[in-house]
Amino acid sequence: EDQVTQSPEALRLQEGESSSLNCSYTVSGLRGLFWYRQDPGKGPEFLFTLYSAGEEKEKERLKATLTKKESFLHITAPKPEDSATYLCAVQARPPPPGAGGTSYGKLTFGQGTILTVHP
Amino acid sequence: NAGVTQTPKFQVLKTGQSMTLQCAQDMNHEYMSWYRQDPGMGLRLIHYSVGAGITDQGEVPNGYNVSRSTTEDFPLRLLSAAPSQTSVYFCASRRGLPGSSYEQYFGPGTRLTVT
Repeated sequence: EDQVTQSPEALRLQEGESSSLNCSYTVSGLRGLFWYRQDPGKGPEFLFTLYSAGEEKEKERLKATLTKKESFLHITAPKPEDSATYLCAVQARPPPPGAGGTSYGKLTFGQGTILTVHP
Repeated sequence: NAGVTQTPKFQVLKTGQSMTLQCAQDMNHEYMSWYRQDPGMGLRLIHYSVGAGITDQGEVPNGYNVSRSTTEDFPLRLLSAAPSQTSVYFCASRRGLPGSSYEQYFGPGTRLTVT
């Protein structure tokens, strides 16, 4: 069974204080690892997709990296507007033809890290 | 594009009542899905659809029904509401062939309380 564990559960930073969020995963063949941002009372908003170990992607103050067992979301010089819950999800590769099971590519989500950045 | 829209935004039901949560997308996405989000549990898949007329169960399907008569719409029906179904419900859609890894787009959510 695919599993995703995010840590820490909550992180409080001062504005400008860089840090990292962790996403550890086990999956039967990784098809993709996704990072989402969720603001209170809203739906998750897509940030990044990572496909293979060693891959990195950046967007403004955020950089996501991937190894064979975990992904990190690095936040450089965060601002109060970066405060949100950050969700990690993995998608397994579909089974080979004839092996049975769904080929839909279900996402398994972690519980999220609540990030608060104080001015 | 409106993206993924959901109605209502808030709903209160009494135990045993039924209702339908509406979801629509205007991106011509093949795949649509319903999740529920509970504190400490993360997002859990209820039902999904890979195209009009095709639906399947996710992790937590009991007490919910879905149908997909058009590409755009994917309603979720609660047959007989129970307090355990108090949650925030998100609809999502994505494009792509089976097994592809395109990102999902989520709606704004419906907050449901069952008393």
